[in-house]
Amino acid sequence: GNSVTQMEGPVTLSEEAFLTINCTYTATGYPSLFWYVQYPGEGLQLLLKATKADDKGSNKGFEATYRKETTSFHLEKGSVQVSDSAVYFCALSSTTDSWGKFQFGAGTQVVVTP
Amino acid sequence: ETGVTQSPTHLIKTRGQQVTLRCSSQSGHNTVSWYQQALGQGPQFIFQYYREEENGRGNFPPRFSGLQFPNYSSELNVNALELDDSALYLCASSSGGHTQYFGPGTRLTVL
Repeated sequence: GNSVTQMEGPVTLSEEAFLTINCTYTATGYPSLFWYVQYPGEGLQLLLKATKADDKGSNKGFEATYRKETTSFHLEKGSVQVSDSAVYFCALSSTTDSWGKFQFGAGTQVVVTP
Repeated sequence: ETGVTQSPTHLIKTRGQQVTLRCSSQSGHNTVSWYQQALGQGPQFIFQYYREEENGRGNFPPRFSGLQFPNYSSELNVNALELDDSALYLCASSSGGHTQYFGPGTRLTVL
């Protein structure tokens, strides 16, 4: 079945540091890939998405490129801020499954210190 | 444009009780999905409703059931509550595509 694996946290960084969160997936067909962010006590907010190979999603300084050859969708940001502290979830939606059935990774907590 | 809303925000129940959680989808969205997020874990798909019909279900027992109404709002019902049902329940809506937009969630505590 479909699955998403992302790096364990917490990831602790200083402000202005470079952030990378690794995400790899297993899926049949051609999934769409997503990054969601969850701030404490809140629901999930869509951060960015990519729907086909080599697409790059970007938003608020975050980027991720859909790499079919390595089945990866790593999240990057060049200079993090304290306000980026949150839990980040990688997710996929497969075209060969019920397209409402998102498969999420376990989440990676990011802590940015001043 | 109104986003996805959920009620109540928090809920405390005891084992064996029943609970109903509510979700209003984003304007123009005809599909609602429900997820269970245990503490420290990623959300797990419960089921999805499209135009008032169940359209896919995850690995949850039948005591988890749902409804979708003509205005596309939805309910999640859980019978015979167990301690392990304590979690954040998330509702997400979408329309004709893969992107889902999530509500703030309902925190359910079962004692």
